[in-house]
Amino acid sequence: DTAVSQTPKYLVTQMGNDKSIKCEQNLGHDTMYWYKQDSKKFLKIMFSYNNKELIINETVPNRFSPKSPDKAHLNLHINSLELGDSAVYFCASSPAQLAGGPGDTQYFGPGTRLTVL
Amino acid sequence: GNSVTQMEGPVTLSEEAFLTINCTYTATGYPSLFWYVQYPGEGLQLLLKATKADDKGSNKGFEATYRKETTSFHLEKGSVQVSDSAVYFCALTFLNAGGTSYGKLTFGQGTILTVHP
Repeated sequence: DTAVSQTPKYLVTQMGNDKSIKCEQNLGHDTMYWYKQDSKKFLKIMFSYNNKELIINETVPNRFSPKSPDKAHLNLHINSLELGDSAVYFCASSPAQLAGGPGDTQYFGPGTRLTVL
Repeated sequence: GNSVTQMEGPVTLSEEAFLTINCTYTATGYPSLFWYVQYPGEGLQLLLKATKADDKGSNKGFEATYRKETTSFHLEKGSVQVSDSAVYFCALTFLNAGGTSYGKLTFGQGTILTVHP
């Protein structure tokens, strides 16, 4: 009965490879997010989708492409991986945000630790 | 733009000591304020929140009061336990001019708390 799940938990790969991280939520939420946490624990939003529609796209290299096949899933595909992509990536979800409700809680997955060699 | 500044860490305390982690923010509009906690090897969990000035959020013995006049949301606990050892993040979301927030969380840099027996 996990609320927000991510796979894989760990991902080790070589520079230049392409990899994907999957995220699923069973909370019935409309909005999903990807965050990146660097080695100093700093967290920054990357993308947000509401009902499969992209609503937040921070200044992320276009090697990163999120895809939302339905509102319960938000996957992150990364092309041509670089050393600087090494980080922990967190998926999160929350109830609908478009009508306001800035106080809504976001529920985070356990994270995917990506290491690029 | 919007930003959150937390006190520098790490913070090391003995069990039953008093805890304060300072958090100040800069925001246009009307932010909602949050404290999230990240236990070792896990994703983030909401600890408490406040959505308007003078609101007090509380949970598990932790408290924080939304102070608009000082733009602060300091986290306090009267008596910490070893199990409180974690990374604590102050964060905000805000309403833009259109009255929506899209739930974008802006995080502080995180404060590592270690509690010794």
